[in-house]
Amino acid sequence: DARVTQTPRHKVTEMGQEVTMRCQPILGHNTVFWYRQTMMQGLELLAYFRNRAPLDDSGMPKDRFSAEMPDATLATLKIQPSEPRDSAVYFCASGRGGLAVTRTDTQYFGPGTRLTVL
Amino acid sequence: DQQVKQNSPSLSVQEGRISILNCDYTNSMFDYFLWYKKYPAEGPTFLISISSIKDKNEDGRFTVFLNKSAKHLSLHIVPSQPGDSAVYFCAASAGGSQGNLIFGKGTKLSVKP
Repeated sequence: DARVTQTPRHKVTEMGQEVTMRCQPILGHNTVFWYRQTMMQGLELLAYFRNRAPLDDSGMPKDRFSAEMPDATLATLKIQPSEPRDSAVYFCASGRGGLAVTRTDTQYFGPGTRLTVL
Repeated sequence: DQQVKQNSPSLSVQEGRISILNCDYTNSMFDYFLWYKKYPAEGPTFLISISSIKDKNEDGRFTVFLNKSAKHLSLHIVPSQPGDSAVYFCAASAGGSQGNLIFGKGTKLSVKP
């Protein structure tokens, strides 16, 4: 049963510290997405990659957030420096990114990283 | 300005009855709509989708209806079961692509035995 994995599952840190969240997409998926879930905004898309190339990161605060895919099995989201307003659940999702409107082309979400910045 | 709106933050339904979750959108370019279900401490999971060329899609107890003229879609669950208790997210995308799903804020469904 293939799944998206995310580490860590929980992170508590102090304001100003660097935070790195990691995601392993499902093998064979060529698109990776980072989302943030907050009570106020719901699920927001931060960035996404296709074939490891960043396609859209317009949802991400550029001054402190960065997203990369060092290889096809690892995606990272980094916050430096972190702030209390960054406290949220961060989800990674992967998909095949095709144009066919089929069930297999939906996004598969990981369990999320719950970040608390004090 | 939210492009996908779920105006009911919560819904409570008796087991065996119908649950109707609603979603409105503003962008007429959206042509593919999905519903995701989320349990606590888990990521959202895909539930059902509909293309804009259809007005109804059914999968077991779940049916999604699309009214393009009203820019409205709804998810019907019949009969509702306690295991359906979760947060339901409506999502939409334009151009048939999976690249950029816009999500609503979610509706928390509670199905009481």
